[in-house]
This record gives sequence, structure tokens and C-alpha cells, in this order.
Amino acid sequence: NAGVTQTPKFQVLKTGQSMTLQCAQDMNHNSMYWYRQDPGMGLRLIYYSASEGTTDKGEVPNGYNVSRLNKREFSLRLESAAPSQTSVYFCASSTGGLLFLQFFGPGTRLTVL
Amino acid sequence: KNEVEQSPQNLTAQEGEFITINCSYSVGISALHWLQQHPGGGIVSLFMLSSGKKKHGRLIATINIQEKHSSLHITASHPRDSAVYICAVSGIKAYFGTGTSLTVIP
Repeated sequence: NAGVTQTPKFQVLKTGQSMTLQCAQDMNHNSMYWYRQDPGMGLRLIYYSASEGTTDKGEVPNGYNVSRLNKREFSLRLESAAPSQTSVYFCASSTGGLLFLQFFGPGTRLTVL
Repeated sequence: KNEVEQSPQNLTAQEGEFITINCSYSVGISALHWLQQHPGGGIVSLFMLSSGKKKHGRLIATINIQEKHSSLHITASHPRDSAVYICAVSGIKAYFGTGTSLTVIP
């Protein structure tokens, strides 16, 4: 059981470049989430998917898009990266929404120059 | 204004000490979560509670819904407990505290 996996672990982009962060879980969870973590701030929810086929905006969705490819996979896309998107990104999953215990991936450290 | 406030921000303790980390929140919630973030960055969920108290090993979490306050206690602290402890609340939305950085010295 791998739990929640994320790729890549590290990435450096130039302003304006695009990239997709991948997330997969093998716990048969219905809900998946993308967070960003910045120094001095708590985790902030970017997007979430309550169930396969649905996605909703979180607190800080601007500049991002998501795809819930199937029950296992939830990707986060930066169409035109900006320095303000330099952050550590965490994917998480839970059995059924924010009221349930979440399991986190190892994180992706993204730097936008 | 932060919806979730934690105190203290930083805490240093001697091995064996009893530790308390506090969390206050200002929004209506259905559940409160305590997370542990290791020095390497990984995040682990420790507890999810909506009332009363939960215990897991040396960790105890309590919540007072009326006072909108939760505490995380660590008994007989150990250097491996050194981590950042994050309080989060969830209902319709989720809000996270900025964390309490704990260092336990041998």
C-alpha cells in the first residue's frame, strides 16, 4: 500500500511555463485535495474533488486547474507559472470529504523563477 | 484575521516533559484535526475529533466545542516527537493553523 503518491518531488520552472503535478492514491478514497503551504501561513486548499467526476474551488484557486482523471488520480495544472506560485504542494485524500481523516502525499517543492 | 490560531508558535522541551499545544478557532466546525509535519516535510493526520477526548499512545487530544478550543498533549515527550503540529478545522470549508514547532531535547 503506497498511500498517496505525488510526482515530481521537486521542480523548477521559469515564469510562463506550464506543468502538471500528479497525485494518485490506492486507498479507494472518494475525496481528493490539493493544498499549498507557504512559510508563515497555514495549508491552503486550492481545489478539491469530493468524488470522481466532480471538482470544486478551494480558498486559492486562481492560476490553477485540476482534473480528476479517475477515482485514483487527481492532477493539478499550472498553465502559466508565476513566482507567486513558488510553494510546497500537497495532495491528500479521504474517504468522504473534509470531515474525515485526510492522508497526505509527500509534497512537491515548486520554484518559479 | 486567522480562523485558526495556535499557541505557542515555538516550543522547546526537555525529554520526558509533559507538553501542551493549544488551538482556538473562530468559525463553526464539524470536526477538528491535529496533524504532525515531520522535519522532512511529510504530513500525518494524528486525530480527528468532534467532541470530548481521544488518546493514541502518548498523545491526547481534547476539544471544547462551546469555548472553540482544542489542546494536544504529549506525555513523556521524546526527541522523535520533534515536529510541527498543525491544528485544522473543517465544516463546509477547511482552515489550517500555521503550526507549532516543537523541539524535544535529549
